[in-house]
Amino acid sequence: DQQVKQNSPSLSVQEGRISILNCDYTNSMFDYFLWYKKYPAEGPTFLISISSIKDKNEDGRFTVFLNKSAKHLSLHIVPSQPGDSAVYFCAARKYGQNFVFGPGTRLSVLP
Amino acid sequence: DGGITQSPKYLFRKEGQNVTLSCEQNLNHDAMYWYRQDPGQGLRLIYYSQIVNDFQKGDIAEGYSVSREKKESFPLTVTSAQKNPTAFYLCASLQVRGGELFFGEGSRLTVL
Repeated sequence: DQQVKQNSPSLSVQEGRISILNCDYTNSMFDYFLWYKKYPAEGPTFLISISSIKDKNEDGRFTVFLNKSAKHLSLHIVPSQPGDSAVYFCAARKYGQNFVFGPGTRLSVLP
Repeated sequence: DGGITQSPKYLFRKEGQNVTLSCEQNLNHDAMYWYRQDPGQGLRLIYYSQIVNDFQKGDIAEGYSVSREKKESFPLTVTSAQKNPTAFYLCASLQVRGGELFFGEGSRLTVL
C-alpha cells in the first residue's frame, strides 16, 4: 500500500508559468515533509521542507503548501525555468521513523 | 566540502557475481541509508543504520548485505541472491535528530 502518492507521472509547463506538483499521503501521523529534485543519473537534491505545524513554507521560487485535513501537499514553482525540468519526489516521515518517498513526477518546462 | 561520495558511478557485472558499492560521508551524520531507484517506482529503502555496528533491513533487503564498522562508511553488497540487481543505487545520510536526507550521486549497476 503506497503511503505517499504522486498521481501525475508527468507534467509539462511553459517557461515563466507556474508549475504545481501534487503529493497525497495516507498516514495522518506524518509530521515532516520534503521535496527533492532529481536529474537523470544524479542523486536527489533537497529543495524545501515543511513541518506539520505549518501550512506554508517559501524559499525563493519554491513554495510548499500543506493541507493536513486533506492529507495533501503541493510544490509551486514560480516562475518555471527550463533548468527546473527534472523528476520531483515528495517524501514524508513520522518523527523517529524513516522517510517514505512518492514515485515522482517528471516536470518538463518548455521554452 | 562536506558530502557523500559513492563509487563506482557505473558498474557492470556478470550474473552470479557479488558486487560491493561504496558510500563514504564526511558530514558527521549518525544515520546512513541505501535506496534503490527503478523507473516509475520512486526510492525504495534497502538497509539503514542509525549507529556504528548496527543496521536494520528496509523494505527490500533480500539479496543485499551491509556493514557499518565506521561512522563515515556504509558499503552495500549486492549478492547473487538478488533476483533483479540492475538498478540505480543511492546512498544517503541524516542527522538522527532530524532535517533532510543528503544523497550521494548514485551508482548504476548493470548485470549482464
